[in-house]
Amino acid sequence: AQSVTQLGSHVSVSEGALVLLRCNYSSSVPPYLFWYVQYPNQGLQLLLKYTSAATLVKGINGFEAEFKKSETSFHLTKPSAHMSDAAEYFCAVTNDYKLSFGAGTTVTVRA
Amino acid sequence: NAGVMQNPRHLVRRRGQEARLRCSPMKGHSHVYWYRQLPEEGLKFMVYLQKENIIDESGMPKERFSAEFPKEGPSILRIQQVVRGDSAAYFCASSLGSRSTDTQYFGPGTRLTVL
Repeated sequence: AQSVTQLGSHVSVSEGALVLLRCNYSSSVPPYLFWYVQYPNQGLQLLLKYTSAATLVKGINGFEAEFKKSETSFHLTKPSAHMSDAAEYFCAVTNDYKLSFGAGTTVTVRA
Repeated sequence: NAGVMQNPRHLVRRRGQEARLRCSPMKGHSHVYWYRQLPEEGLKFMVYLQKENIIDESGMPKERFSAEFPKEGPSILRIQQVVRGDSAAYFCASSLGSRSTDTQYFGPGTRLTVL
């Protein structure tokens, strides 16, 4: 069985500040990990994925995430928040075809 | 290249009616997945289909829910005799293959409201 836990259901950051979204996973086998973003009334868009190659993964829109096996974490970061980053972010894990999602973290960006 | 298409985007049904949700995968994709998102929750896997076959329906409620992916046409998620608890956003995803590394591309979802 596999699962993810996203710490913090809401995060508020100032424009230009660091964005840090936390995700911890549980998996009995080496996991594949994903971050998706959901804008209001839209579907999920893939930001980045970890598939056991480099532990530091770069994604779209300036986001990146680092896989840390010792901490069972896959936190998402962006050095400088933009107003357009306001959305809901989901971490997901799989070791087959079935994605298991966290409950999501809603990001608001203050001007 | 069109993405995953879902329709309708919004669906309102009264208790006891049937809901039919449609999903057209990305061109070239033969693997389709349905997920349900309840309010304030993440997405939960429901079912995985390939053309004319249900591969895994372990996340589907045992009663009233069914899914198909015919040889021709879109995948259909059917909910019979809807109840208020079925109100949710239903997302379809498709992929080129079924390996862990194959990216699932999501549609915009169908938001079902049961009155």
